[in-house]
Amino acid sequence: EDQVTQSPEALRLQEGESSSLNCSYTVSGLRGLFWYRQDPGKGPEFLFTLYSAGEEKEKERLKATLTKKESFLHITAPKPEDSATYLCAVNNAGNMLTFGGGTRLMVKP
Amino acid sequence: NAGVTQTPKFQVLKTGQSMTLQCAQDMNHNSMYWYRQDPGMGLRLIYYSASEGTTDKGEVPNGYNVSRLNKREFSLRLESAAPSQTSVYFCASSEVTGAGYGYTFGSGTRLTVV
Repeated sequence: EDQVTQSPEALRLQEGESSSLNCSYTVSGLRGLFWYRQDPGKGPEFLFTLYSAGEEKEKERLKATLTKKESFLHITAPKPEDSATYLCAVNNAGNMLTFGGGTRLMVKP
Repeated sequence: NAGVTQTPKFQVLKTGQSMTLQCAQDMNHNSMYWYRQDPGMGLRLIYYSASEGTTDKGEVPNGYNVSRLNKREFSLRLESAAPSQTSVYFCASSEVTGAGYGYTFGSGTRLTVV
């Protein structure tokens, strides 16, 4: 059975304090790993897709990386507007997405 | 604005009542999905429709039924609501089934069953 585990569940940072969010996965036949951002009261919004170990993607202060067992979302010099819940999901050979429980990020000014 | 529209945004039901959650997308996507989101458990797939005229069970289908009314609309029905169905429900669509990069989500329906 596919599993996706995100840690930590919650993370409080000061503005400018860089950190990383972790997404560990076990999946039969990875066909893609996806990161989403979810703001309170809204649906998830797509951020990145990673397909193979060693791949990296960047967008503003966010950088996503992938190994054979986990993915990291690195946040460099975060701002309060980066506060949100970040979700990780994997696509397996059955072509369905399995989501992790999310990391709630709070960035204090 | 292009996207996925869900109605209603909030709903309170009594145990045993029925209701239908509506979802419509205007992006000409082939695939549509219903998820539920509970604290700490992530999004779990209830049902999906890979294309117009087809529906399939997801991870947690018990207590729900769906209808793909046409290419735009995909509804979720609770026949006899139970407190365990208290959750936030999200509808999503994508051009291709399972293409996570292309999932567009609605803003959700917060359902409370008392």
